[in-house]
Amino acid sequence: QVQLVQSGSELKKPGASVKVSCKASGYTFTSYAMNWVRQAPGQGLEWMGWINTNTGNPTYAQGFTGRFVFSLDTSVSTAYLQISSLKAEDTAVYYCARVGTGTTPYDAFDIWGQGTMVTVSS
Amino acid sequence: EIVMTQSPATLSVSPGERATLSCRASQSVSSNLAWYQQKPGQAPRLLIYGASTRATGIPARFSGSGSGTEFTLTISSLQSEDFAVYYCQQYNNWPAFGGGTKVEIK
Repeated sequence: QVQLVQSGSELKKPGASVKVSCKASGYTFTSYAMNWVRQAPGQGLEWMGWINTNTGNPTYAQGFTGRFVFSLDTSVSTAYLQISSLKAEDTAVYYCARVGTGTTPYDAFDIWGQGTMVTVSS
Repeated sequence: EIVMTQSPATLSVSPGERATLSCRASQSVSSNLAWYQQKPGQAPRLLIYGASTRATGIPARFSGSGSGTEFTLTISSLQSEDFAVYYCQQYNNWPAFGGGTKVEIK
């Protein structure tokens, strides 16, 4: 079936980096845009941006430029989120989410990964 | 940037009763509006897209309406499994979520 499976929880120290993976299965990976969404503890959903799985071109939402990098490995149908220079305020659950149709973010997110908890603490 | 505002923040409803959730956009998003349900410890689940179309497998008690800047999610008869947080999202422009409405047991 169509699913997104993310990598496991991470505990990192401030200043470190983390790379979260999102492996797709059950559909043609390059036919649907992939989004990243952050949810801080007890808070709502925040769209971080998206990556065109056809071209590999990333687009970052306001507030997610500089330390955040979206990438792909289409050979294994996997999207990645890397965060560098981690801060305590990066502590959150990070979700990947597929757009329902097409290779742009202009549609509902029909398939979600299970989420990856990233904790930043000294 | 389009801002999405949901109301109320918390809705207390008895099982079997009707729940009405509101979502307002700061500018028109046409019908490019989705609703999601999120339960504790789980990823969000798509309920409604295109403002009023139920996603695959979503029960008929969930319905969406509205266009432009005003939208409503109605749950006709709340079941125990419906107590959760609900988010609206516009995708007419760069995607943006509302702050959520928590539906709790009265």
